[in-house]
Amino acid sequence: DADVTQTPRNRITKTGKRIMLECSQTKGHDRMYWYRQDPGLGLQLIYYSFDVKDINKGEISDGYSVSRQAQAKFSLSLESAIPNQTALYFCATSETSGRANEQFFGPGTRLTVL
Amino acid sequence: GDSVTQMEGPVTLSEEAFLTINCTYTATGYPSLFWYVQYPGEGLQLLLKATKADDKGSNKGFEATYRKETTSFHLEKGSVQVSDSAVYFCALRGGYSTLTFGKGTMLLVSP
Repeated sequence: DADVTQTPRNRITKTGKRIMLECSQTKGHDRMYWYRQDPGLGLQLIYYSFDVKDINKGEISDGYSVSRQAQAKFSLSLESAIPNQTALYFCATSETSGRANEQFFGPGTRLTVL
Repeated sequence: GDSVTQMEGPVTLSEEAFLTINCTYTATGYPSLFWYVQYPGEGLQLLLKATKADDKGSNKGFEATYRKETTSFHLEKGSVQVSDSAVYFCALRGGYSTLTFGKGTMLLVSP
């Protein structure tokens, strides 16, 4: 089984709809992250959480919200989706400390907003 | 703020050719540096890393050396294979323990 899972893997929705993307992990990591990937722009950090009670905005948080329901679950919501939120969304996790700690990525959710 | 600049792609090579993908960074302090690879339809996975100046990260025939004097972390491989075709991301981990990514470089290797 994958260590970091994302649901759904693909989603098509309409402008104005509320949508939630979910991420679960079995790695036991405290830290979780949400990124979006657009062609030619790399990955941009939306939100990150260092533990259940510590949630922080990333560089592009406008239009998004998150919920850390448990150590293993971190959800990303689009309250009112718009077409320029069409992108590939990745969840990632990492251990608490250490300069060399890598992030482990889920397989991604491809979101299309019509 | 922190930033990473990497060469634009796609980089197109024949099998067994030498690969270099340039990466330079701007950061305060002494960041850790990473190369991630994304194969088609998959998430990112760590390829190699280095945490201090002059460290060399290596994995699967890929290498990169942390050069503080030139603020660079160029990715190299002596002989690429078709299976190396992917998108490669350079990233740094700065003071807030979050990663800053470059825009990615697509590598296409033909037989």
